[in-house]
Amino acid sequence: NAGVTQTPKFQVLKTGQSMTLQCAQDMNHNSMYWYRQDPGMGLRLIYYSASEGTTDKGEVPNGYNVSRLNKREFSLRLESAAPSQTSVYFCASTTRDPRGVSYEQYFGPGTRLTVT
Amino acid sequence: DAKTTQPTSMDCAEGRAANLPCNHSTISGNEYVYWYRQIHSQGPQYIIHGLKNNETNEMASLIITEDRKSSTLILPHATLRDTAVYYCIVTGSARQLTFGSGTQLTVLP
Repeated sequence: NAGVTQTPKFQVLKTGQSMTLQCAQDMNHNSMYWYRQDPGMGLRLIYYSASEGTTDKGEVPNGYNVSRLNKREFSLRLESAAPSQTSVYFCASTTRDPRGVSYEQYFGPGTRLTVT
Repeated sequence: DAKTTQPTSMDCAEGRAANLPCNHSTISGNEYVYWYRQIHSQGPQYIIHGLKNNETNEMASLIITEDRKSSTLILPHATLRDTAVYYCIVTGSARQLTFGSGTQLTVLP
């Protein structure tokens, strides 16, 4: 049981390049999330997917697109990378109890992205 | 979601209890209090959550005041591995966790 996995662990891009960050979970969770964390700051939600086939914007969605490929996988795409997107990106997943209140979010190890 | 206020940093001696406070005076009736921690460079880790009753699990205890305007996370016997940033989050929907700056807890040998 690997939990939440993310690839790649590190990436350096030049301004204008594109890339996709991959996330997968093997806990049969319904909901998945993408966050970014800038140095010295808390995490900010980029996009989330409450269930397979649905996605919604979070606090900072501009410059990103997401795909919920299936229940296991949730990818984040940067179409034209900018230096302001230099950050650590975390993927997370969770499931909800019968009352509709989510339990804990499980986080992946992060992808450290530098855009020059 | 209600705003939370936490001290920027705290120290605790190894083996002693660490008590981390959080103020959330604007919390509404359907909002839960969640605690997460982030050990340097790693993804955040869930610790505990509660609505109005005190909660305990293998990691920590959560004490919520009767008026629900504040709470305290207690790590009963802090170890060096508990050094981390601790986030107190109040939300009615755990799909929308808003992480503030948290409290940097340093456990001293």
